[in-house]
Amino acid sequence: QVQLVESGGDLVRPGGSLRLSCVASGFTFTDFYITWIRQAPGKGLEWLSDISRTTTTTHYEDSVKGRFSISRDNAKKSVYLQMNSLRVEDTAVYYCARGGGITRGYFDAWGQGTLVTVSS
Amino acid sequence: DIHMTQYPSSLSAAIGDRVTITCQASQDTGNSINWYQQKPGKAPEVLISDATKSQIGVPSRFWGGGSGTHFTLTISSLQSEDIATYYCQQFDTYPFTFGQGTKVEIK
Repeated sequence: QVQLVESGGDLVRPGGSLRLSCVASGFTFTDFYITWIRQAPGKGLEWLSDISRTTTTTHYEDSVKGRFSISRDNAKKSVYLQMNSLRVEDTAVYYCARGGGITRGYFDAWGQGTLVTVSS
Repeated sequence: DIHMTQYPSSLSAAIGDRVTITCQASQDTGNSINWYQQKPGKAPEVLISDATKSQIGVPSRFWGGGSGTHFTLTISSLQSEDIATYYCQQFDTYPFTFGQGTKVEIK
């Protein structure tokens, strides 16, 4: 079955870095954009970034542009989110999701999420 | 950025009631709107894509409408398992954006 599994969440100090991973299985990985979405505790969903099937195109939400970087390794069926210069307000559950792009912009499979806590 | 205004932020309704959630986009998004359901402690699940297309496996009591800047998600007969928070999301223009959510409770 279609599955996405995130990992890499941790407690990190403000200004620190973290790399999240998302491993996919159960579908043809190269047929889909992959997207990162986060949810701060008790808050709503926030779209962060997506990456195209061939890795040539990426997009970012304004508050993470220049600090976060998305990448993918199609051979490993994996997508990564490198997060630098972390802030307290980056504390959230981070989900990876299948889907993205203007032509298929809905997310029909989600991981279980990984918790990132930014605190001193 | 396109701002999605979703309302109400919460509602309480009886089993069997018709429930409507509205999402207003700050600019024309065509039909590029999706709706998600999120139950406590779980990842969201897509209900409706492209404003009106029900996803496979979604009960027929859920349906989406609207176009342009005004969109609705309707639950025709509320069931106990529909207790959740619902979100709209636009994918017309990057960055994609979500509404702030509507929490649905049973009266």
